[in-house]
Amino acid sequence: NAGVTQTPKFQVLKTGQSMTLQCAQDMNHNSMYWYRQDPGMGLRLIYYSASEGTTDKGEVPNGYNVSRLNKREFSLRLESAAPSQTSVYFCASSPGVKNIQYFGAGTRLSVL
Amino acid sequence: GQQLNQSPQSMFIQEGEDVSMNCTSSSIFNTWLWYKQDPGEGPVLLIALYKAGELTSNGRLTAQFGITRKDSFLNISASIPSDVGIYFCAGQLKGSNYKLTFGKGTLLTVNP
Repeated sequence: NAGVTQTPKFQVLKTGQSMTLQCAQDMNHNSMYWYRQDPGMGLRLIYYSASEGTTDKGEVPNGYNVSRLNKREFSLRLESAAPSQTSVYFCASSPGVKNIQYFGAGTRLSVL
Repeated sequence: GQQLNQSPQSMFIQEGEDVSMNCTSSSIFNTWLWYKQDPGEGPVLLIALYKAGELTSNGRLTAQFGITRKDSFLNISASIPSDVGIYFCAGQLKGSNYKLTFGKGTLLTVNP
């Protein structure tokens, strides 16, 4: 019962470095999402993919890119990391019905 | 973007007490969801609500979809130490098929 799997769990970057956060789901869900969580801010949507082959911007897309590699996988890329991108990143997936989203355990990213 | 006003921001209660928290908005929602997040983990769905006026229970938890479709509340009865965590409301706006809007969360602390 893996559900939504995110890798890595922790990462420390220097300003300007790039990295890709990986997300995979094994529930055959159509839709996938990337959020960031900052203290006192709740969950903010970065990008989402309503279905395989489509991606759309969310509330805070600047500084990020995404790839829906296939139905299972949705990656988030930081091309040039900035300290403002220090956050906890969550991937979620949804079957599309009723829009219930299931979350991974998160990636804790620090940018120095 | 659209906002959900979740209150209170935090609560400190004694074991055995009942808890109530709510989310309000100026916009109409088609779906209300309540999630709980334990430290170091991703949010986990507690209750889903789909109709105005709907009242749904999950063990000691009860949630209601407001009649105006602009609010929802969550009650926890007879709290126990493992209820500690952050509780989030999330709503699917009318006309928004794939995205959820999240409240900023209520941090619950239960003193044994």
